[in-house]
Amino acid sequence: KQEVTQIPAALSVPEGENLVLNCSFTDSAIYNLQWFRQDPGKGLTSLLLIQSSQREQTSGRLNASLDKSSGRSTLYIAASQPGDSATYLCALSIMDSNYQLIWGAGTKLIIKP
Amino acid sequence: NAGVTQTPKFQVLKTGQSMTLQCAQDMNHNSMYWYRQDPGMGLRLIYYSASEGTTDKGEVPNGYNVSRLNKREFSLRLESAAPSQTSVYFCATATGWGTYYGYTFGSGTRLTVV
Repeated sequence: KQEVTQIPAALSVPEGENLVLNCSFTDSAIYNLQWFRQDPGKGLTSLLLIQSSQREQTSGRLNASLDKSSGRSTLYIAASQPGDSATYLCALSIMDSNYQLIWGAGTKLIIKP
Repeated sequence: NAGVTQTPKFQVLKTGQSMTLQCAQDMNHNSMYWYRQDPGMGLRLIYYSASEGTTDKGEVPNGYNVSRLNKREFSLRLESAAPSQTSVYFCATATGWGTYYGYTFGSGTRLTVV
């Protein structure tokens, strides 16, 4: 059974730092992996989607990587800002599952001004 | 530009009461999903609908029923609410092909069963 783990569960860093969030999974037979952002009391916003054939995707200050062989993905945030404070979730879509998403529990990120 | 709209946003139920959570999308997507999110856990799939007229169980379907009324609407019904169903419920739509399959989520319904 596919399991998705995000460590750490919470992270607090000063503004301006570069940081890395981690996501690991147990089965490499995936269609894609996505990173989402969740703000308190709100829905989920898709940040980046990496297809299984890709190694990384970039959007602005965000860069997500995927290494299927090691079962790992990272989300790199450059020059962090207080507005980046949110919970970041990774989710992957597994093969033969009608594109159901398997989710990690998330990393709660706090950027201190 | 509404995307995915969920109603209500908040609800308090007494144990044993019933209610229906509504979800509507204007994105013309075929696939729709209901997830629940509990503290400290990832989202878990309750039911999904790959297309109009079809529904399938997800990981945690017990205590729930769904209706895909048409392409736009996918409702989730709790027939006899239990405290264990206290959660935040998210509706989502998805579209794409092959390994490019993207999701759009509603803003959620926060349900408390007392």
